[in-house]
Amino acid sequence: GESVGLHLPTLSVQEGDNSIINCAYSNSASDYFIWYKQESGKGPQFIIDIRSNMDKRQGQRVTVLLNKTVKHLSLQIAATQPGDSAVYFCAENMYSGGGADGLTFGKGTHLIIQP
Amino acid sequence: KAGVTQTPRYLIKTRGQQVTLSCSPISGHRSVSWYQQTPGQGLQFLFEYFSETQRNKGNFPGRFSGRQFSNSRSEMNVSTLELGDSALYLCASNSGRGPRGTEAFFGQGTRLTVV
Repeated sequence: GESVGLHLPTLSVQEGDNSIINCAYSNSASDYFIWYKQESGKGPQFIIDIRSNMDKRQGQRVTVLLNKTVKHLSLQIAATQPGDSAVYFCAENMYSGGGADGLTFGKGTHLIIQP
Repeated sequence: KAGVTQTPRYLIKTRGQQVTLSCSPISGHRSVSWYQQTPGQGLQFLFEYFSETQRNKGNFPGRFSGRQFSNSRSEMNVSTLELGDSALYLCASNSGRGPRGTEAFFGQGTRLTVV
């Protein structure tokens, strides 16, 4: 089946720097994309989402970019803090009218913050 | 308001046994989805329930089943457990309106170990 993947399993950044986490998806019919953050021992936490009719969406210290031409999604975290250390997952969703497909998750990128 | 509650947090079972996991969604949420998380396969969609009806199902064998009660609480059952069923089982609560994944809140999960 089609799946959402990530480029790097681990990303190490200096505290205070900006982080960019990338994700490639394969289902061109997906119309909704979500980034989740999962800390150790916890369930995934919703960060930000974007619909397929948008290219960019900003939240607090986070920005999601969507490039439908190359089927690429990225999450940018500004001024990375120790609390940002976690595994980040991208997920896609295709709402299929009367039915509802579940979220398809990527493998995850472990963001490590260096002091 | 209270978040998504999953019980138990940890469970150890023997091969061949069956297990039932419970999920209480956020008050007012009518959609409950279940996911399996393993290091090898990542997060995979099991099924979704809305108003006591299974709306969608992922690609898992029939040993995995679920149900939802009138108060939106959900249970999932795994019969004839196999070693490969060892995983973190996550429940996600959603209002049920709009695209799947919108406002989806995850519980902390049930860590199932099959020995």
